[in-house]
Formats: sequence, C-alpha cells, structure tokens
Amino acid sequence: GESVGLHLPTLSVQEGDNSIINCAYSNSASDYFIWYKQESGKGPQFIIDIRSNMDKRQGQRVTVLLNKTVKHLSLQIAATQPGDSAVYFCAEKGGGSARQLTFGSGTQLTVLP
Amino acid sequence: NAGVMQNPRHLVRRRGQEARLRCSPMKGHSHVYWYRQLPEEGLKFMVYLQKENIIDESGMPKERFSAEFPKEGPSILRIQQVVRGDSAAYFCASKSVAGGDYGYTFGSGTRLTVV
Repeated sequence: GESVGLHLPTLSVQEGDNSIINCAYSNSASDYFIWYKQESGKGPQFIIDIRSNMDKRQGQRVTVLLNKTVKHLSLQIAATQPGDSAVYFCAEKGGGSARQLTFGSGTQLTVLP
Repeated sequence: NAGVMQNPRHLVRRRGQEARLRCSPMKGHSHVYWYRQLPEEGLKFMVYLQKENIIDESGMPKERFSAEFPKEGPSILRIQQVVRGDSAAYFCASKSVAGGDYGYTFGSGTRLTVV
C-alpha cells in the first residue's frame, strides 16, 4: 500500500542552528500534507500544512517545502530552540475522496545546548 | 475553548477484559478519527466517523474492535477481549465540516496497557 517515510530517524542540532527534517511520500495522488510535532506523552500538535498546488509555505520560524517531482517534503525550523526537541511526523492525505491521514514513522529532533 | 478531550489518559486492562476509550471532539466538530500508535512508530488510521455514521473503518481490525459516535455524547472506541498486542496509544482527532482539508486537531491520547 501507499506509505510515507522519513529519511532519518534522529537529528541532533545545536541550539540556534537551523534544522531540516525530510520526508518521502509514495502516493502521487496525495493533495494535502501536514507536519506534526509530538512531545513525549502528548498528542500530535499541528505545525504547518501545505496543499499540493503549492511548493512552499512559511510560518513562524518554520517553512515547508514540497517537491512533487520527486515526492519529497521537508520541514525547516529556523533558530532551533530547546523547546523544539520532539518527534516530528509528516502526514499526507490522499486525493479524491480520501479523508484520513497517512503518517510517516517520525524523526526525533534533539536540540543540543 | 476546550480542545479534543480524551479519557482516560491511561488505562490498564487484563487480558480478556474490555477497554472503552472516549473522545469528545472540539466544539462544532462533527467528524472524528481514531488512530493507533505503537511505541516509536507513526500513527495508523483506524476509523472515521461522523455523528451516528461510520464513514470509513478500513483501518480497524474486523474482530474485537468497534467504534461509535452517537448523536449525543462522546465517540467511543471499544476493544473487547483485549490482548497484549492491543497495548498502544490511541489518539482521536476531530475536524469541522467547514474545515475542508484543514483543522485536524488531535487529543492527548489514551495509553492502553494490557497486562
């Protein structure tokens, strides 16, 4: 079946540096993508989303890039802070009548002091 | 303006018992999704419900699992005769009709441990 996967299971960055978390997806019909942050013992928290008719979207300190040609999604976090340490998941929604999200396996981001 | 409320936060059941997980969606949200998360894995879709209707249960095991979202009250995910493999975190997300593709808001989850 279709799946969403991440390139790296763990990522460590120095506080103040920029972080880039990557995600590969396989369903070319997916039309909507979301990045979630999950802290230990908590539910997924929405970070930013992007529709398939866009290739870039910016939020506060975060940017999502979508490359449909190679089916790749990335999350960039500027000036990474200790509070950014968490597991980050990308999720996709299939096109058409699909309603549920398909999640990747997650990347653990650790911010070093 | 409460978010998605799930209870209990933690649930311990012995093998063979029943587990009932509750989810109250955000105010104004009429769509509920249930996901299961095993340790160090992503969330896996189980079932999608609207009030009094199951829209898509393709991710839910055919046996022992059932879900409902009555006209009044929370959505319930019910697991009968639990086994150790049912131990996981169960998350509920809700969405409004007007939200279109947006607005999937997750609760804090119920962590089920089967002993």
